[in-house]
Amino acid sequence: SQQGEEDPQALSIQEGENATMNCSYKTSINNLQWYRQNSGRGLVHLILIRSNEREKHSGRLRVTLDTSKKSSSLLITASRAADTASYFCATDLLFSGGYNKLIFGAGTRLAVHP
Amino acid sequence: KAGVTQTPRYLIKTRGQQVTLSCSPISGHRSVSWYQQTPGQGLQFLFEYFSETQRNKGNFPGRFSGRQFSNSRSEMNVSTLELGDSALYLCASSVEGGRGSEAFFGQGTRLTVV
Repeated sequence: SQQGEEDPQALSIQEGENATMNCSYKTSINNLQWYRQNSGRGLVHLILIRSNEREKHSGRLRVTLDTSKKSSSLLITASRAADTASYFCATDLLFSGGYNKLIFGAGTRLAVHP
Repeated sequence: KAGVTQTPRYLIKTRGQQVTLSCSPISGHRSVSWYQQTPGQGLQFLFEYFSETQRNKGNFPGRFSGRQFSNSRSEMNVSTLELGDSALYLCASSVEGGRGSEAFFGQGTRLTVV
């Protein structure tokens, strides 16, 4: 089964509004990364948050991590039509037995309407 | 700095054939990972290579194999193709693939098996 689960599965908002996506996972992690994917193309790395961090910012992105609840959230502020994409969280497990084995959630499909 | 380059971008193959996909990582990156993305299973880890050695492997049949060359370029091979192998194959590179390494993805190779 997948480690991460995103919520909601789909989100539709208007330009200028904020979009919040959540990710929950099951086992202890080293870090959690968020990615964006446009129309089945490659994944664009957005942000990495380590297990000892609680919040990170990058431009209009804000990511939080709550290891006690095994959850993370991605907030996109002042959304634009160009933010329309699927967003995935990926966890690097603490005991994955190897390196860089990312476990992905099913993703949130975000649609931003002009 | 050039990003991760995957070739070819699109492939159409017939059941029973084999296929080889190529990935050139970001310059200086020594870890290369491969992922399969399908609508039904989402993004799943195939394997990871570092310094020409496979360090981690996902739960895929032996028809899926890979290798890494001394210049860190990697190839993956799928033999005896099945219809279910139709997917977007993504390659990711990172500096060393250790804990906390950001993984950067290529645009993917879309394989269609007919």
